Amino acid sequence: DAGITQSPRHKVTETGTPVTLRCHQTENHRYMYWYRQDPGHGLRLIHYSYGVKDTDKGEVSDGYSVSRSKTEDFLLTLESATSSQTSVYFCAISDSDSNQPQHFGDGTRLSIL
Amino acid sequence: SQQGEEDPQALSIQEGENATMNCSYKTSINNLQWYRQNSGRGLVHLILIRSNEREKHSGRLRVTLDTSKKSSSLLITASRAADTASYFCATGNTDKLIFGTGTRLQVFP
Repeated sequence: DAGITQSPRHKVTETGTPVTLRCHQTENHRYMYWYRQDPGHGLRLIHYSYGVKDTDKGEVSDGYSVSRSKTEDFLLTLESATSSQTSVYFCAISDSDSNQPQHFGDGTRLSIL
Repeated sequence: SQQGEEDPQALSIQEGENATMNCSYKTSINNLQWYRQNSGRGLVHLILIRSNEREKHSGRLRVTLDTSKKSSSLLITASRAADTASYFCATGNTDKLIFGTGTRLQVFP
């Protein structure tokens, strides 16, 4: 398995609080992605990074920000969490762009009450 | 917006039978990928087929791609209980993959 670690694996928090999810890779892959998975919607891209300090928005980026200060770490921040952001969040990495396979972490289950 | 839509949404078969899942998409692509997701885990890449390829095999998996119909199929032959999972297609163009909503496959022993 590709070396991807997501933390925390589970989190419960309250509406209005800030939340940061971390994705750490040991593969030295250039691309990193954050997705959310919800019933009936499959996986939807939130943000992605194509290098250190290089990020771009995905399909559902509103309410989320990201940072990548090192190759191995990609952080997803919910500045002020809302109940609609309750979801399972997945990080993925790939060596190149969408013409290569992506390798996924095991997800973070986030509940916002 | 979803690019790929899998069909059927759910499929139940007996061990030893073949399972076929279909994926339709809307716009031009560079490649199409299939992934498996076991309950509570992340997605695992199965196979990638490029837009200039028509068929690809990997073990018990066979993938076809028809770019004129904007569709792909995943065939799992001689299924096993361990194949029980959700299967997703994803279309690739530029930097991003766009995933479908998946097919839930249940294989009964």
